[in-house]
Amino acid sequence: DSGVTQTPKHLITATGQRVTLRCSPRSGDLSVYWYQQSLDQGLQFLIHYYNGEERAKGNILERFSAQQFPDLHSELNLSSLELGDSALYFCASSPTLSVGYTFGSGTRLTVV
Amino acid sequence: GIQVEQSPPDLILQEGANSTLRCNFSDSVNNLQWFHQNPWGQLINLFYIPSGTKQNGRLSATTVATERYSLLYISSSQTTDSGVYFCAVVAQGGSEKLVFGKGTKLTVNP
Repeated sequence: DSGVTQTPKHLITATGQRVTLRCSPRSGDLSVYWYQQSLDQGLQFLIHYYNGEERAKGNILERFSAQQFPDLHSELNLSSLELGDSALYFCASSPTLSVGYTFGSGTRLTVV
Repeated sequence: GIQVEQSPPDLILQEGANSTLRCNFSDSVNNLQWFHQNPWGQLINLFYIPSGTKQNGRLSATTVATERYSLLYISSSQTTDSGVYFCAVVAQGGSEKLVFGKGTKLTVNP
């Protein structure tokens, strides 16, 4: 157990739907990062939050949004889902910036 | 942005063999990590190694930051070592995101 908890582990949903992925960082970690891993794109950075504030955005679609709550857990919202959104979504946390990222076990999203 | 290249892309070994995986990066880094993605998709952190050498059992890693490369050594490989090994870096002076290489897919046959 890495200490980073992601739920749910698996999600199957239909095109056009909306889902929410949840991440609880390791105790004491202030930074949360979201990554998408698809077969053809590798591991792609989506967004970074630090202590509740957005720090950086990567190639995140406008249909996707995220937030980090006061208790430091984070949610990634994916809407108007398309077949191409099927992927593994990872959350990672680190205590500060740029140091020692730990990944959760991921959420496998299948859009049918 | 920073580029991360891993070699070889694929590696097939017999159990008990040793191997060296390489990671080249195009700019100075604050952070470098090696990960193992197992067949179930989990990303396991192996080393946090922006410079120097570390060892953990049969695995060791060396990063030569001045020459912008890192090496991961696997000795006496086991079938459970199979999976994809990723190198990931955080560029100095850039955003704090980890940038991943494309990985080395390792298959260890019994």
